[in-house]
Amino acid sequence: QQQVKQSPQSLIVQKGGISIINCAYENTAFDYFPWYQQFPGKGPALLIAIRPDVSEKKEGRFTISFNKSAKQFSLHIMDSQPGDSATYFCAASKLKSGGYQKVTFGIGTKLQVIP
Amino acid sequence: GAVVSQHPSRVICKSGTSVKIECRSLDFQATTMFWYRQFPKKSLMLMATSNEGSKATYEQGVEKDKFLINHASLTLSTLTVTSAHPEDSSFYICSAGQVGGEKLFFGSGTQLSVL
Repeated sequence: QQQVKQSPQSLIVQKGGISIINCAYENTAFDYFPWYQQFPGKGPALLIAIRPDVSEKKEGRFTISFNKSAKQFSLHIMDSQPGDSATYFCAASKLKSGGYQKVTFGIGTKLQVIP
Repeated sequence: GAVVSQHPSRVICKSGTSVKIECRSLDFQATTMFWYRQFPKKSLMLMATSNEGSKATYEQGVEKDKFLINHASLTLSTLTVTSAHPEDSSFYICSAGQVGGEKLFFGSGTQLSVL
């Protein structure tokens, strides 16, 4: 059972455009939603994360929109650049005091930003 | 952000030999570390959760006798692939989080190729 569904699997965006990646989750116990960026041959790097008590979080060109009632969240990359070309993973977990619950990853979106 | 060092980044070994991968949290203490496996163009699959001073918790379908995990200190966890076979060839990634924090930090991964 795929608990975090991510789409699209691949995305091509013109330089300067907006890249949008969507995710949906099923487990209402999830309370932490990070996005990771991964370049080939490297481990994922935390990009931005959101808790369900806010509907939007912005950090630079990256924005997470969160819809708790629909159990959906999305990543928007404004003014996309060729250097943003990477694979992006959405994820979800339930934090617990003093430790971690395991993170469930989406399938990943390969983003290509063309000049 | 916090740094997780993973070593080696690439290893080639003969079938039947054992390979050890190290994961270190360089500037923070990590009571919990996670080990993932990633196939080409696929998402991360959690293999096991490593807790300092106790036995690792393995995900369903992961052979604990084949993938030995040791978390001897708050800054070091190791994954040993025993009697490696070609089907064990994969990209292995570890992650760790700070005590009391919510962010997970990933190592740079280890590409294992078994001949």
